Amino acid sequence: GNSVTQMEGPVTLSEEAFLTINCTYTATGYPSLFWYVQYPGEGLQLLLKATKADDKGSNKGFEATYRKETTSFHLEKGSVQVSDSAVYFCALNTNAGKSTFGDGTTLTVKP
Amino acid sequence: DAGVIQSPRHEVTEMGQEVTLRCKPISGHDYLFWYRQTMMRGLELLIYFNNNVPIDDSGMPEDRFSAKMPNASFSTLKIQPSEPRDSAVYFCASSFLDRGGTDTQYFGPGTRLTVL
Repeated sequence: GNSVTQMEGPVTLSEEAFLTINCTYTATGYPSLFWYVQYPGEGLQLLLKATKADDKGSNKGFEATYRKETTSFHLEKGSVQVSDSAVYFCALNTNAGKSTFGDGTTLTVKP
Repeated sequence: DAGVIQSPRHEVTEMGQEVTLRCKPISGHDYLFWYRQTMMRGLELLIYFNNNVPIDDSGMPEDRFSAKMPNASFSTLKIQPSEPRDSAVYFCASSFLDRGGTDTQYFGPGTRLTVL
């Protein structure tokens, strides 16, 4: 079956630090890969996605590259801000409607 | 579009009472999902529908939980009777498969349920 493994949190960084949150996956077929973000008190929302190998998704300074050879989709940002504090979920979808989510990684950015 | 709409946003009830959570998906989306989120168990998929038909309810914890989707614009999740361990945030999400076969889920703001 499909599965997503995320780097365990929580992650605490100072403002302007570099961020990496690791995500690896196991899937049958050719999944689409996603990063969702959940701000306090809100539902999850799409941050970025990639639909095929070597695609790079990007949004709000965040990036992730679909690496088929390492089955990974690591999230990166060059300079985090306090407003980036949230829970980040890696997910995959293999076109059947249902997505598989990781356990989420809590990021706290301190001024 | 207003996005996925859930009601109520907060619900406090006593053990043994019936609880009904409501969801209006985004118009045109043909998948609807119910999730539960707790600190202990994280995000759990309870059930999902395609074109109003339940496809997978294997995540529904027990017979006390039931979900319906009578039409494309409305779904309910009912807990009867409720128990303190049902306290959680319940999310509804909707999606559609785009031309590339990619499915992005759009989540509602959630209903925070507290069972005393």
